[in-house]
Amino acid sequence: NAGVMQNPRHLVRRRGQEARLRCSPMKGHSHVYWYRQLPEEGLKFMVYLQKENIIDESGMPKERFSAEFPKEGPSILRIQQVVRGDSAAYFCASSAQGENTEAFFGQGTRLTVV
Amino acid sequence: QQQVKQSPQSLIVQKGGISIINCAYENTAFDYFPWYQQFPGKGPALLIAIRPDVSEKKEGRFTISFNKSAKQFSLHIMDSQPGDSATYFCAASNSNYQLIWGAGTKLIIKP
Repeated sequence: NAGVMQNPRHLVRRRGQEARLRCSPMKGHSHVYWYRQLPEEGLKFMVYLQKENIIDESGMPKERFSAEFPKEGPSILRIQQVVRGDSAAYFCASSAQGENTEAFFGQGTRLTVV
Repeated sequence: QQQVKQSPQSLIVQKGGISIINCAYENTAFDYFPWYQQFPGKGPALLIAIRPDVSEKKEGRFTISFNKSAKQFSLHIMDSQPGDSATYFCAASNSNYQLIWGAGTKLIIKP
């Protein structure tokens, strides 16, 4: 039973390019959460999705960032026109149900913008 | 009001000793206080969590102490082992996902 799978593990992008981060939740999980972690800091919530729906995107920057969780396939976090400040580790977590149930984290995607 | 302050930033403990990490929060609406353990290159893993209706919760060598009036909670690791060396994060929320995270404590257990 695979855990939360994120790919790629490492991603290097030049300023102005697009970054696409993928997250496959644990089997049977339909709730996905994305977090960003800067070096030496805790995680910061970005967005909560359920299949085909965005439930809470209050932590997402208003521009350049978007997320989706289609009926089929992984959840995608998309960052357009990346800037150096986007360099961070991006973690995805999934849970079987929504609030008040444990969320399990993937190993993260480390994005470096050069 | 949304901050969670964690201390110390780093901690070195001898094998067999007690590791203690402290956190303080401001928002009295928070009602869920988890601790996460993170190894280098890995995602955080839930270690233990508490809700404010109890003052202490113990799971194996790990104990959370919770002081509602002081708005503080702490993680105690008894009989610390080298395998416990990791970064520990406290968090607080009134949901399981929109957590406010502390800055982390890098724990090193010396053999």
